[in-house]
Amino acid sequence: GAVVSQHPSRVICKSGTSVKIECRSLDFQATTMFWYRQFPKKSLMLMATSNEGSKATYEQGVEKDKFLINHASLTLSTLTVTSAHPEDSSFYICSSLSPGIFDEQFFGPGTRLTVL
Amino acid sequence: SQQGEEDPQALSIQEGENATMNCSYKTSINNLQWYRQNSGRGLVHLILIRSNEREKHSGRLRVTLDTSKKSSSLLITASRAADTASYFCATERGANSKLTFGKGITLSVRP
Repeated sequence: GAVVSQHPSRVICKSGTSVKIECRSLDFQATTMFWYRQFPKKSLMLMATSNEGSKATYEQGVEKDKFLINHASLTLSTLTVTSAHPEDSSFYICSSLSPGIFDEQFFGPGTRLTVL
Repeated sequence: SQQGEEDPQALSIQEGENATMNCSYKTSINNLQWYRQNSGRGLVHLILIRSNEREKHSGRLRVTLDTSKKSSSLLITASRAADTASYFCATERGANSKLTFGKGITLSVRP
């Protein structure tokens, strides 16, 4: 299957700082990527849909000014957690929509964010 | 309301036994997908079953879909310790390819 990478895999930051997480599709062009967050022992919650060349579409309750998404190329989407607070600590996972006909999403390995 | 709820929430079995996990959902779907997640890792896609399909196999995995009951089951035969993980069902509906995940099932396979 397709490979999606995320960087960094783990980040610890101080409260009030901003953190950027990268999601790359390594072997195919992804016009659509998705960002999820997952709290410990919980399910994945969709945060936003990232569309190449256009604004992201955010799910209800997700602050777009808090979680900035940029999808500047067909292989890279970034999520920036601005002015991070301890409650933003979570596991952030991206996925890329496959270009095939089966609507399969390929998930990145996730980024563990800890805000002190 | 939760679209995609699995049961049981936790399952512990002996290596070699079969594991059956169920997922129910509330609205009509395009397809239903099962994923596996090892602790602290990303998701691995296991199998996708479309709304017009009733059963699919992949290796030791068997997935069924009953759209009249809005439910799906994932059967892992001859389980192995390496199957220990969390398993999620996810439903896709509409034209935007968004997935809605269930709460997940924690499977423990004892060696």
